[in-house]
Amino acid sequence: KQEVTQIPAALSVPEGENLVLNCSSTDSAIYNLQWFRQDPGKGLTSLLLIQSSQREQTSGRLNASLDKSSGRSTLYIAASQPGDSATYLCAPKGGATNKLIFGTGTLLAVQP
Amino acid sequence: NAGVMQNPRHLVRRRGQEARLRCSPMKGHSHVYWYRQLPEEGLKFMVYLQKENIIDESGMPKERFSAEFPKEGPSILRIQQVVRGDSAAYFCASSPRPDGYTGELFFGEGSRLTVL
Repeated sequence: KQEVTQIPAALSVPEGENLVLNCSSTDSAIYNLQWFRQDPGKGLTSLLLIQSSQREQTSGRLNASLDKSSGRSTLYIAASQPGDSATYLCAPKGGATNKLIFGTGTLLAVQP
Repeated sequence: NAGVMQNPRHLVRRRGQEARLRCSPMKGHSHVYWYRQLPEEGLKFMVYLQKENIIDESGMPKERFSAEFPKEGPSILRIQQVVRGDSAAYFCASSPRPDGYTGELFFGEGSRLTVL
């Protein structure tokens, strides 16, 4: 059974810092991986999608990388802002299924 | 192009009643996924459907839960004889493609079920 772990579970930083969020899957047969953010009481907003053939994807201040061989991904947030405060979820899509398996999430708080 | 639409956004039921949650996928998407998020827990896969077919229901509880995605109309997640442990946020996601190489998933805002 595939499991996805995210480290750290929670993070509190002052505004302006650069951050790295980590995601690790027990199944390295990854077709793609999505990073989402979830605000309290809200749905999931897709941030980045990395295909298995790609090593990284960038969108604005966000950069996500994928190491298929190890089943690991990192989300880099540059120059963090209070509006970045949310729970960040990674979700790899494994080879045997068409479903995303969600990680445990990282709760980020950016202090003004 | 409207996003994934879920309704109701909030639903309150008493124990033993039925709950019906609806999901309209994004235009052009024919693949629907249902996930459940229990309080203080992560999202857990429940079921994956294509039009008129259940593809993967490995995450669905064996009893009281059912899902459908008819040829016309929204996908429905039905919970019969609800119990307090069913209280959760139920999220629907859709994608345009069946294969694993692409198929970015787009999520709705969720339906929050409270069982009294």
